[in-house]
Amino acid sequence: DVKVTQSSRYLVKRTGEKVFLECVQDMDHENMFWYRQDPGLGLRLIYFSYDVKMKEKGDIPEGYSVSREKKERFSLILESASTNQTSMYLCASSSPAEDTQYFGPGTRLTVL
Amino acid sequence: GNSVTQMEGPVTLSEEAFLTINCTYTATGYPSLFWYVQYPGEGLQLLLKATKADDKGSNKGFEATYRKETTSFHLEKGSVQVSDSAVYFCALRSQGGSEKLVFGKGTKLTVNP
Repeated sequence: DVKVTQSSRYLVKRTGEKVFLECVQDMDHENMFWYRQDPGLGLRLIYFSYDVKMKEKGDIPEGYSVSREKKERFSLILESASTNQTSMYLCASSSPAEDTQYFGPGTRLTVL
Repeated sequence: GNSVTQMEGPVTLSEEAFLTINCTYTATGYPSLFWYVQYPGEGLQLLLKATKADDKGSNKGFEATYRKETTSFHLEKGSVQVSDSAVYFCALRSQGGSEKLVFGKGTKLTVNP
């Protein structure tokens, strides 16, 4: 089975802190994605990556950056966390050979 | 641009009731269409998909048919169970190249015994 893991299920940070959210997949997938999920807004794509060291902006990249140094790992970085970044963050991975994205369990981030 | 519109929730049903969650889309060409489900406290998982017009996706008693003429992909189940309580997301992937999914806003389903 494909497994996508995220470093934390719950995280509480202070405004202005630098925050790292880690995602690891074990299926050698080329594609990886970061979404945020908010009530009434569904899932919105922040960044995605087609390959190591490659990244592309999604629909809401402002305030975020990403890093993909290894194929299995995709990190989301909040350079200076703000309260409006309180949300559920979901990571996903996929292979070009199939349509399906596989999701991790999510990290619920609270910024105080 | 591409977009997905699904019916607003929440939806509350009794066990064994019939379920329909409407989903319509806007896209050029022939996108692939998906339903994902998110159980409480979990990430999303694929429920079913269809990749061309008139295809029917099915899984766990759920079905959805890709209707090009009405740009719809409505989710149905004949008899829901308490364990079907979850949030359901309709999504599309545009034809030809991009790996990105466009999601609807989600519909929360609660099934009461």
